[in-house]
Amino acid sequence: RKEVEQDPGPFNVPEGATVAFNCTYSNSASQSFFWYRQDCRKEPKLLMSVYSSGNEDGRFTAQLNRASQYISLLIRDSKLSDSATYLCVVNGNTNAGKSTFGDGTTLTVKP
Amino acid sequence: DTEVTQTPKHLVMGMTNKKSLKCEQHMGHRAMYWYKQKAKKPPELMFVYSYEKLSINESVPSRFSPECPNSSLLNLHLHALQPEDSALYLCASSQDPAGGGGETQYFGPGTRLLVL
Repeated sequence: RKEVEQDPGPFNVPEGATVAFNCTYSNSASQSFFWYRQDCRKEPKLLMSVYSSGNEDGRFTAQLNRASQYISLLIRDSKLSDSATYLCVVNGNTNAGKSTFGDGTTLTVKP
Repeated sequence: DTEVTQTPKHLVMGMTNKKSLKCEQHMGHRAMYWYKQKAKKPPELMFVYSYEKLSINESVPSRFSPECPNSSLLNLHLHALQPEDSALYLCASSQDPAGGGGETQYFGPGTRLLVL
């Protein structure tokens, strides 16, 4: 079993749709959680950090469920510019500095 | 400013060449990272420097040699690479690798390496 598993994509949605991605992690001692987005042939860029009870930033909402060991990302009112690969990243409490990446979920928003 | 810079943007090298990748950040971050990313795969951690000391080496072959001359700079020296080493090499930095929110990593634009 992988340490971090994401929904297998791809997700193809129309503009304006609401889309949700899930990510599960196996290490119950994991301390911090992030969503990054990566555009084709570009570097990953931090989208949101997810601590304790989750957080919201405009159209994006991230949730953390420690009991079930998953995090989610909800995108409302999808825009064409949201098309990208979304990476779930988990940091454990040991081996400080080591982040584990999910394989990524590719989103394509169509007009 | 959350900028990490990397040079060169692109690099083509033969299997007998020696080259270096460079990474720089001026955010006062104390942790710096090298990742390798193949197409349609997530970044794979190679090395972590924490307070200018190598803290993690993910069993990377010795043909890759990292160096951290100071807290702002990170180099990756390449020698006798193989064609399968062709990939995007990403540098990242974070305020502090030990947690407390300081472990958020900021990535540079990467060096796209082709080994012939």
